[in-house]
Amino acid sequence: DQQVKQNSPSLSVQEGRISILNCDYTNSMFDYFLWYKKYPAEGPTFLISISSIKDKNEDGRFTVFLNKSAKHLSLHIVPSQPGDSAVYFCAARPGGGADGLTFGKGTHLIIQP
Amino acid sequence: EAGVAQSPRYKIIEKRQSVAFWCNPISGHATLYWYQQILGQGPKLLIQFQNNGVVDDSQLPKDRFSAERLKGVDSTLKIQPAKLEDSAVYLCASSSLGGGYGYTFGSGTRLTVV
Repeated sequence: DQQVKQNSPSLSVQEGRISILNCDYTNSMFDYFLWYKKYPAEGPTFLISISSIKDKNEDGRFTVFLNKSAKHLSLHIVPSQPGDSAVYFCAARPGGGADGLTFGKGTHLIIQP
Repeated sequence: EAGVAQSPRYKIIEKRQSVAFWCNPISGHATLYWYQQILGQGPKLLIQFQNNGVVDDSQLPKDRFSAERLKGVDSTLKIQPAKLEDSAVYLCASSSLGGGYGYTFGSGTRLTVV
């Protein structure tokens, strides 16, 4: 039972264009969502997050959009750069109590020159 | 600040053997997590500590996995006996705030069970 789904295992985008990574969730108790970026042989690093009371959060080239009614979030990277090539994980946390994260399977983003 | 330290980086053992992983979190971080990441999957939470107390171990296979954080600082995760399906990267993370607010992961220990 996958509560956080990233249906695209990989995505190839040209340098300078927009990268859009998608994530769907099923658990209505999730109230906080995060994106992590992972390079090979390294641990995931935090990228950006959004609370369920918001529908958008921006940080430089990265924007996360949340559509609660559709249980869908997306990460936009504009413009895409070669260093953005990595695996991106969507993660979610329920409100209250323990705060361990539930992760999706990840999307491998490849930025082509 | 120094990051989350984990050792060893790699470990190969035979099935039915035991293995232990060590994690030293960022100084002052009260919350420590162990995650298991199987190839092609996202990380899965095994156990969460707040100081030296267990907050959540609902997904820890307790018949073979154990973890401790005796002094509320560093932590060890043990598998005994190991199975082939335990082959994975074991990630430790720590947080000062809890709540999953961008906590910091270590580089992980890659375990191969043969």
